[in-house]
Amino acid sequence: ETGVTQTPRHLVMGMTNKKSLKCEQHLGHNAMYWYKQSAKKPLELMFVYNFKEQTENNSVPSRFSPECPNSSHLFLHLHTLQPEDSALYLCASSQDGGTIKQYFGPGTRLTVT
Amino acid sequence: AQKVTQAQTEISVVEKEDVTLDCVYETRDTTYYLFWYKQPPSGELVFLIRRNSFDEQNEISGRYSWNFQKSTSSFNFTITASQVVDSAVYFCALSEAGETSGSRLTFGEGTQLTVNP
Repeated sequence: ETGVTQTPRHLVMGMTNKKSLKCEQHLGHNAMYWYKQSAKKPLELMFVYNFKEQTENNSVPSRFSPECPNSSHLFLHLHTLQPEDSALYLCASSQDGGTIKQYFGPGTRLTVT
Repeated sequence: AQKVTQAQTEISVVEKEDVTLDCVYETRDTTYYLFWYKQPPSGELVFLIRRNSFDEQNEISGRYSWNFQKSTSSFNFTITASQVVDSAVYFCALSEAGETSGSRLTFGEGTQLTVNP
């Protein structure tokens, strides 16, 4: 079983839709992350959760709403997105903070029309 | 603020050539960690190496080698005898070991490596 899974792998949504991205890690890690990868730009850290508590919000617009019900699951709820939000959204997990290597999922390719 | 620069946006080589991917970083911390990740077309980032700022020994793993030089703030990655399967985007990343920044990885923009048969 792969370490970090993400669903769906591809998502197309209109600007008025509400959708959620799901991430699950099977590695027993304590920290989980959401990253945004846009074309021609570095990966941008969005949110960090440590032991289910949000420890970092990197000035992300409120149309992105994370949820971490337990250490194994992480969601990203999306509503009223903009076309510039189209990107690859990557989830990662690690045993502890970022000085330890992070394990990444395959990502969700999001297109906002 | 920390910053990672990968000046090479794209590199194209022929199979069996050696290729070096450059990474230059900026940080005010004396303790930090450097990483390289590989992102194949499937999208998933694959961890390659982590190096802490106190360990300047170069490392070799099979066809991969890393050259860490604090004096020039560089952490370059060399693939020897490249293969088509090495084609991917490679990211260099930096993490500062502070209480509040320990969970933050700063990535470079990535280098797209294409190895042609």
